[in-house]
Amino acid sequence: NAGVTQTPKFQVLKTGQSMTLQCAQDMNHEYMSWYRQDPGMGLRLIHYSVGAGITDQGEVPNGYNVSRSTTEDFPLRLLSAAPSQTSVYFCASRSGIVGTGELFFGEGSRLTVL
Amino acid sequence: GEDVEQSLFLSVREGDSSVINCTYTDSSSTYLYWYKQEPGAGLQLLTYIFSNMDMKQDQRLTVLLNKKDKHLSLRIADTQTGDSAIYFCAETPNSGYSTLTFGKGTMLLVSP
Repeated sequence: NAGVTQTPKFQVLKTGQSMTLQCAQDMNHEYMSWYRQDPGMGLRLIHYSVGAGITDQGEVPNGYNVSRSTTEDFPLRLLSAAPSQTSVYFCASRSGIVGTGELFFGEGSRLTVL
Repeated sequence: GEDVEQSLFLSVREGDSSVINCTYTDSSSTYLYWYKQEPGAGLQLLTYIFSNMDMKQDQRLTVLLNKKDKHLSLRIADTQTGDSAIYFCAETPNSGYSTLTFGKGTMLLVSP
């Protein structure tokens, strides 16, 4: 009963390095999204996907890329890390079937960029 | 644009009731949600209310919805120290069903 799994849980990068945050869900959810959480800013949407092969930008997409080659996986790529990208990143998924619309979250990935 | 507003901090004593308030902008939201985030963890759905309801009660939790004023509240009765967490109000944005728009979160601190 894994739900939404994010890796790594913690990462320290130097400015200019690149990395990928992994996200996988085993609930066959169509919708997946990435948020970042910063103190006093709440959750801000970075990118989202409504199905395999379809992605779109959220509120704060600059500096991040995503792809959705399978229903299960939705990786977030930082192309050239900057200190402003120090944050906690959450992946979430949601069923496309109309219902309560609950969004299921991973445990978060804590990224520090030096 | 879409915006969800919450007060940032609430402090109560154990055993008191807590009321966390939220205002939202999208009158077409079908569901409105309260999520809870404990320290170092992800967000978990606490409760939700369907837009055609005025009130929903679930054990110690009461959700009130005033659609006219676009105001949502969460009342926690007999608040316990384990209720200390950040509480997020969320709505389905007008732009689509695929994700949610969250408020900035209210940090609830319960003292013994």
